[in-house]
Amino acid sequence: EPEVTQTPSHQVTQMGQEVILRCVPISNHLYFYWYRQILGQKVEFLVSFYNNEISEKSEIFDDQFSVERPDGSNFTLKIRSTKLEDSAMYFCASSDHRTSGSKKQYFGPGTRLTVT
Amino acid sequence: AQRVTQPEKLLSVFKGAPVELKCNYSYSGSPELFWYVQYSRQRLQLLLRHISRESIKGFTADLNKGETSFHLKKPFAQEEDSAMYYCALSGPGANNLFFGTGTRLTVIP
Repeated sequence: EPEVTQTPSHQVTQMGQEVILRCVPISNHLYFYWYRQILGQKVEFLVSFYNNEISEKSEIFDDQFSVERPDGSNFTLKIRSTKLEDSAMYFCASSDHRTSGSKKQYFGPGTRLTVT
Repeated sequence: AQRVTQPEKLLSVFKGAPVELKCNYSYSGSPELFWYVQYSRQRLQLLLRHISRESIKGFTADLNKGETSFHLKKPFAQEEDSAMYYCALSGPGANNLFFGTGTRLTVIP
């Protein structure tokens, strides 16, 4: 069964540095998402992306964050100037409402971001 | 405002015993409800969605609009059911999922 992949699995960066987290959604999916989970807390929605633009975003997704689909397969999350509180597990997900008939989202394994 | 409440952070049951993981929600319309599961060292995966009214791995969940609940149930727990379970909702006009804090289920052999 096709899976969402994410790279790297673990990223360590210094405060103030830019990071790019990468995701390859399932190939025929049209909707893409980023979520994050701070250690010990719940999974939180960041942003959804459809038709090459952001369709929804949460309060967490401020000007420090951006998303991009640079080619036909990758979906990236960029954090421009990381803060300590950005340390979390970041999950990418994708879905295709046309075939599922519902909002079934397929999640990647996550990237653990550690900001020091 | 939307809210998903999973009151139990940890739940332990013996193998063969019934299990119920509670989920209550708050939403000002008709949301779509889901249960996601995360087994050890695996990714989040969809277990159930209320609109399909299916039974997966022996689990069922019924949406009770009067009580705004979507509890997950299984009559006989198995060791392989040990995992983290998340209840989530999505609004009718939205695509994003709003998660509860999760319940870690441990099935004792």
